[in-house]
Amino acid sequence: EDQVTQSPEALRLQEGESSSLNCSYTVSGLRGLFWYRQDPGKGPEFLFTLYSAGEEKEKERLKATLTKKESFLHITAPKPEDSATYLCAVQAALSSNTGKLIFGQGTTLQVKP
Amino acid sequence: GAVVSQHPSWVICKSGTSVKIECRSLDFQATTMFWYRQFPKQSLMLMATSNEGSKATYEQGVEKDKFLINHASLTLSTLTVTSAHPEDSSFYICSASRRGYEQYFGPGTRLTVT
Repeated sequence: EDQVTQSPEALRLQEGESSSLNCSYTVSGLRGLFWYRQDPGKGPEFLFTLYSAGEEKEKERLKATLTKKESFLHITAPKPEDSATYLCAVQAALSSNTGKLIFGQGTTLQVKP
Repeated sequence: GAVVSQHPSWVICKSGTSVKIECRSLDFQATTMFWYRQFPKQSLMLMATSNEGSKATYEQGVEKDKFLINHASLTLSTLTVTSAHPEDSSFYICSASRRGYEQYFGPGTRLTVT
């Protein structure tokens, strides 16, 4: 069964304290892995798509990496405005026609000033 | 990035009435649109997938007669909650995708049934 597990469930950081969020996945043929940011009461905001092991993408203080079993979202010197829930999702090769995503439960990040 | 809108952003209705939520892709043609439901402190739960001009594909456990989905064009999909009851109160989010790639999400609709 295709599955996505994110850890930790919640993370509290001081401003400037770098850390990483983990997304472990089991899927029958990975077509793509996606990271989203969701603020309370809003829809998820697209951050990154990773397609193959070894791929890395960066955006401001965020960097996403991918291996054959997991993905990391590295946050460098976070600021309070980075506080949000970060969602990881995978798309299986068999679902490529529909584009269906399998979501993890998310990691809620709180950055204190 | 691609922009997806939803209307209304929040709605309150009485038990037994129907509510329609619109989802529009504003700057691209969406081959597929998705409807999700999200409970507090939980992740997104996919309700159905719809392709333009085709019947929606519902996830197991989702009542297709209660949650009517119409994907009338490449930029518009609607979700109608029929005969709404308090247990249908939730945060409904749509997303749009082109050619099966990344999904872009709308801002969500908060439905409260009294």
